[in-house]
Amino acid sequence: AQSVTQLDSQVPVFEEAPVELRCNYSSSVSVYLFWYVQYPNQGLQLLLKYLSGSTLVKGINGFEAEFNKSQTSFHLRKPSVHISDTAEYFCAVSGHSSASKIIFGSGTRLSIRP
Amino acid sequence: GAGVSQSPRYKVAKRGQDVALRCDPISGHVSLFWYQQALGQGPEFLTYFQNEAQLDKSGLPSDRFFAERPEGSVSTLKIQRTQQEDSAVYLCASSPNTGGAQPQHFGDGTRLSIL
Repeated sequence: AQSVTQLDSQVPVFEEAPVELRCNYSSSVSVYLFWYVQYPNQGLQLLLKYLSGSTLVKGINGFEAEFNKSQTSFHLRKPSVHISDTAEYFCAVSGHSSASKIIFGSGTRLSIRP
Repeated sequence: GAGVSQSPRYKVAKRGQDVALRCDPISGHVSLFWYQQALGQGPEFLTYFQNEAQLDKSGLPSDRFFAERPEGSVSTLKIQRTQQEDSAVYLCASSPNTGGAQPQHFGDGTRLSIL
């Protein structure tokens, strides 16, 4: 079984400041890792994913994440945030089998202050 | 558009009524997932279809929940004898093929409120 822990339920930052959203996962098998973003009253949109290879993954909207196997972490970072980044961010894991579902964390609300 | 479409966007029902939620996946997508998202929480898996076959229904919370995808495209999630704890956003997602590496494309969800 897999699980995902997002340590911060809410992260307030000032516009143009850097941000890191933390994510730790637990699994007895190899997993794929994802970050999704959810804007108000909308579905989830894929930001980036780690499947294999380079541990630093770049995604859309200037976000990137680093996979750390020894620490079982997959933290999301952005060097300079904008007001438009205000949203809920979900870290997620999926197994490798053909019928794998996604297990989501509880989410981190990113609020940007002008 | 060409994305995943869900209807209705909002549904209000009285406790004990039956409801049906519809999902139109992206054309040609093999895999279809239903998730339940309670207020302030992450989505939780309900069920998975590969074409018309329901391969995993381990997340359905009770036998009041039923999902189908008879022709391998449109899917319907039905909840019988609704309870207040069923109030949530129900999300549908589809992906072009099978496997955990496939990106899932989400609809905007149906917000269900049970009075």
